[in-house]
Amino acid sequence: QQQVKQSPQSLIVQKGGISIINCAYENTAFDYFPWYQQFPGKGPALLIAIRPDVSEKKEGRFTISFNKSAKQFSLHIMDSQPGDSATYFCAASRGGNNRLAFGKGNQVVVIP
Amino acid sequence: GAVVSQHPSWVICKSGTSVKIECRSLDFQATTMFWYRQFPKQSLMLMATSNEGSKATYEQGVEKDKFLINHASLTLSTLTVTSAHPEDSSFYICSARDLGLAGVHNEQFFGPGTRLTVL
Repeated sequence: QQQVKQSPQSLIVQKGGISIINCAYENTAFDYFPWYQQFPGKGPALLIAIRPDVSEKKEGRFTISFNKSAKQFSLHIMDSQPGDSATYFCAASRGGNNRLAFGKGNQVVVIP
Repeated sequence: GAVVSQHPSWVICKSGTSVKIECRSLDFQATTMFWYRQFPKQSLMLMATSNEGSKATYEQGVEKDKFLINHASLTLSTLTVTSAHPEDSSFYICSARDLGLAGVHNEQFFGPGTRLTVL
């Protein structure tokens, strides 16, 4: 059972455009929602994370929007660059157990 | 800070042999480490949670006798794939939780991964 559902599966964006990836979750006990960036052959790297007590968090060109009532959160990549071309995973975990449930991933391709 | 390393970065072995993968937290102490496997173009699947000084907790469907996990210190966890077969070929990734990050207890730092190919 997929606890975190991610969409779309892939995305092609023009350089300078906005990349938007959405995630939906089922478990209302989740209280930590990170986004990871992964390049081929590398481990995932934490991009940005949010907790349910805020609706938005921004770090540089990356913004998370969180909608607790809809059980959804999204990643916005502003001014997308070719170097942003990677696979992005959303995830969620709860409390102290730290077990992350990952979405299936979204491949973003930024074309020059 | 918060660097996690894995060794080796890739390994090729013959079917039936055992392979050990190390995961180290380089600049922090980790009471908990996690082991994932990832098939091409797929997501990360949690295999087990490793706690320092105690037995690992395996996810449903993961054979504990095949994937031996040892977490002997606060900076080292090892995954041994015993009697490896071609279907065990995958990308194995570990992550570690920083003991010292009070209040940020959910954050995990990932290693660079180990590519295992079983011939």
